[in-house]
Amino acid sequence: GESVGLHLPTLSVQEGDNSIINCAYSNSASDYFIWYKQESGKGPQFIIDIRSNMDKRQGQRVTVLLNKTVKHLSLQIAATQPGDSAVYFCAEGDQAGTALIFGKGTTLSVSS
Amino acid sequence: DTEVTQTPKHLVMGMTNKKSLKCEQHMGHRAMYWYKQKAKKPPELMFVYSYEKLSINESVPSRFSPECPNSSLLNLHLHALQPEDSALYLCASSQGQGIVWTEAFFGQGTRLTVV
Repeated sequence: GESVGLHLPTLSVQEGDNSIINCAYSNSASDYFIWYKQESGKGPQFIIDIRSNMDKRQGQRVTVLLNKTVKHLSLQIAATQPGDSAVYFCAEGDQAGTALIFGKGTTLSVSS
Repeated sequence: DTEVTQTPKHLVMGMTNKKSLKCEQHMGHRAMYWYKQKAKKPPELMFVYSYEKLSINESVPSRFSPECPNSSLLNLHLHALQPEDSALYLCASSQGQGIVWTEAFFGQGTRLTVV
């Protein structure tokens, strides 16, 4: 089936920088998108989600942008901290679906 | 309480053993999921239960047998596993799916090693 993918497997930033993690999706019927953070040895943790009727949503230090024209999703983390080091996954759902489908993941490394 | 609890956290089993993984949530979610995650890979969907009925089985081998005894509990029964089945097994639950999605909450997973 169709799947969600991420552009870069790894991203290294300095503490205090802004981070941008990208994701491309192929299912044009997807109408729900979500970002998860997964630390080593733990389960995925919800960060932020967005529905297809929006193009931007902000949380605390995080912003998700959705570009439906090019089927692109991004997660922006402001003032990245060492505690943000983890693997980040995007996932999608469509109206016919019964489960979220995950993309490949980007490992974010933050050095101080 | 936004917690999904999985037990055990770690499990080592032989190829002839029978074991069960357990998952519990008290958020009133009616959709529950099993995902399998290999190292450095995204979670892969195995099973979906919706209102305590199995709605999705993603071509999972019969040595994995899910069970949903009630709306709060989800089990995964394991029998005659292979070493390649070693992975992190994640349980998740969500309030909404399909027409109105909501976020899925994940447990911490069971790290399974088959020897």
